[in-house]
Amino acid sequence: QQQVKQSPQSLIVQKGGISIINCAYENTAFDYFPWYQQFPGKGPALLIAIRPDVSEKKEGRFTISFNKSAKQFSLHIMDSQPGDSATYFCAASTGGSARQLTFGSGTQLTVLP
Amino acid sequence: GAGVSQTPSNKVTEKGKYVELRCDPISGHTALYWYRQSLGQGPEFLIYFQGTGAADDSGLPNDRFFAVRPEGSVSTLKIQRTERGDSAVYLCASSFTTNSPLHFGNGTRLTVT
Repeated sequence: QQQVKQSPQSLIVQKGGISIINCAYENTAFDYFPWYQQFPGKGPALLIAIRPDVSEKKEGRFTISFNKSAKQFSLHIMDSQPGDSATYFCAASTGGSARQLTFGSGTQLTVLP
Repeated sequence: GAGVSQTPSNKVTEKGKYVELRCDPISGHTALYWYRQSLGQGPEFLIYFQGTGAADDSGLPNDRFFAVRPEGSVSTLKIQRTERGDSAVYLCASSFTTNSPLHFGNGTRLTVT
């Protein structure tokens, strides 16, 4: 059973544009929601994470928006750059920690120069 | 400092053989995690260690999979009687504590022929 559903599967954005990736979850016990960036041949790297006590968190060009009632959260990448081209994964876990992460299926982002 | 190191980076084995995959975590990290990532999918949790003990092995798919961390540092994931369906990238991650962010290695790509 897929507990974290991610969309779109792929996304193409022009340089300087906004990239938006969405995730929805089913398990209401989830209380930690990180986003990871993965380049080919590399392991995932943590970008930004949020807990359900806040509705938005911003770090540089990356923003997470969280809607607890809808059980949805999204990643916004402002001023997208070609170097942002990678696969992005949302994830969720319980216990307020990253002990056992459930990942989405990934979004392949391409930023055109 | 050095990140999480996984060896080998690639492993090709024949169906039915035994394989061992090694993970060297970041020095001082007490928690260690194994994930499996199939092509085009997000990582899937296998097991995590707190110190030397397996705190949660609920993600191991069957009894052919086993992992150890005898001295609380290096970990080995062992797969017996490999099957073609075991082909994937096996990712290791470590964290300072279970409430700290995960740092992933670049994985071992296992191919079972």
